[in-house]
Amino acid sequence: DGGITQSPKYLFRKEGQNVTLSCEQNLNHDAMYWYRQDPGQGLRLIYYSQIVNDFQKGDIAEGYSVSREKKESFPLTVTSAQKNPTAFYLCASSSGRADSIYEQYFGPGTRLTVT
Amino acid sequence: AQKITQTQPGMFVQEKEAVTLDCTYDTSDPSYGLFWYKQPSSGEMIFLIYQGSYDQQNATEGRYSLNFQKARKSANLVISASQLGDSAMYFCAMRDYGGATNKLIFGTGTLLAVQP
Repeated sequence: DGGITQSPKYLFRKEGQNVTLSCEQNLNHDAMYWYRQDPGQGLRLIYYSQIVNDFQKGDIAEGYSVSREKKESFPLTVTSAQKNPTAFYLCASSSGRADSIYEQYFGPGTRLTVT
Repeated sequence: AQKITQTQPGMFVQEKEAVTLDCTYDTSDPSYGLFWYKQPSSGEMIFLIYQGSYDQQNATEGRYSLNFQKARKSANLVISASQLGDSAMYFCAMRDYGGATNKLIFGTGTLLAVQP
């Protein structure tokens, strides 16, 4: 079945450590996204990529970095510069086809806790 | 700037009754799309329904329908015959097709609780 996988589901880190969250999709989608969700809040866009080897900052990119070396993969690194990294992180992808409505498909998410 | 507003933080509905979740939006672009997503307690976002700004009819998908009132800039989700499994967070989102990206702007969500 096609879909988006994120691993791990739960992640614990000590303050000051960088951590990388995995996101893989087999939907053959061109565009991929990373969102952050805090308790009781909506989704905020961290980074997005519309094509391989290209990505843009979203609304809250400070303290995060990404890469897009392969179409299927869009890993997110939460660096020690991120002041409040504890959150739920969601990865998504969407088709770039001209006849698409560009709905985004989401992975199951990674819950990151930094202490 | 684009904005999505969901004014209902939480709602209760009796099983088998219909419920309307409110969503208003703001954009200056004439071409846009509106989406509704469901987020169960597991966390995954599930795409429910879509309405394009030029669509003449309100979108429907099974028990979900979208009450699209363009002049009022509202896109309310109607769930008919509520089921216990409908208990979840619901998010309204908008995509601006006039832009060069596929970004979605999300509202803050409405938590729906279906009571037996």
